[in-house]
Amino acid sequence: GAVVSQHPSRVICKSGTSVKIECRSLDFQATTMFWYRQFPKQSLMLMATSNEGSKATYEQGVEKDKFLINHASLTLSTLTVTSAHPEDSSFYICSAGPSGEGETQYFGPGTRLLVL
Amino acid sequence: AQTVTQSQPEMSVQEAETVTLSCTYDTSESDYYLFWYKQPPSRQMILVIRQEAYKQQNATENRFSVNFQKAAKSFSLKISDSQLGDAAMYFCAYRRLGAMRFGAGTRLTVKP
Repeated sequence: GAVVSQHPSRVICKSGTSVKIECRSLDFQATTMFWYRQFPKQSLMLMATSNEGSKATYEQGVEKDKFLINHASLTLSTLTVTSAHPEDSSFYICSAGPSGEGETQYFGPGTRLLVL
Repeated sequence: AQTVTQSQPEMSVQEAETVTLSCTYDTSESDYYLFWYKQPPSRQMILVIRQEAYKQQNATENRFSVNFQKAAKSFSLKISDSQLGDAAMYFCAYRRLGAMRFGAGTRLTVKP
């Protein structure tokens, strides 16, 4: 299957700082990528849809000014958590899928964010 | 809005035995895709199997098969000859354009 990478895999930061997470499709182009957040022992909750060359679409209740998404190329989407606070600590996962694979999405390995 | 329901928070199976994980969904669409993903302790989401709604034949992938009942909006996963490595969280997912929608997950334990 297709490969999606994420970087970093783990990050610890101080409260008030910003953190950038990268999501890359390694062997295919993706006009759309998705960002999810997962709390311990819970399911994946969609945060936003990242669209190449245009603004991201955010789910209801997700602050677009806090979670900045940039999809500057067909293989890279970034999620920046601005002015992070302890409640932003979570596991963030991105997904993307090649066209022609019937809606299948491949997931990055995730980024564990801990805000102190 | 589409919803996906997994009514079994936890399941347990003896090694080499068979287990079935349940999933129901709600949609008004006729053309869509359904998936089962596995999330081991590493938390990497791994595609187990997928089903196109327009196909009547149930999908199979080695020891994994599904029972897709479109009219009942049911999509169960059967794992045969369970192995210790099958222990994980299993998520049922629905997709038609847009983003995937996930169920709450079922934690599968495999007993040696």
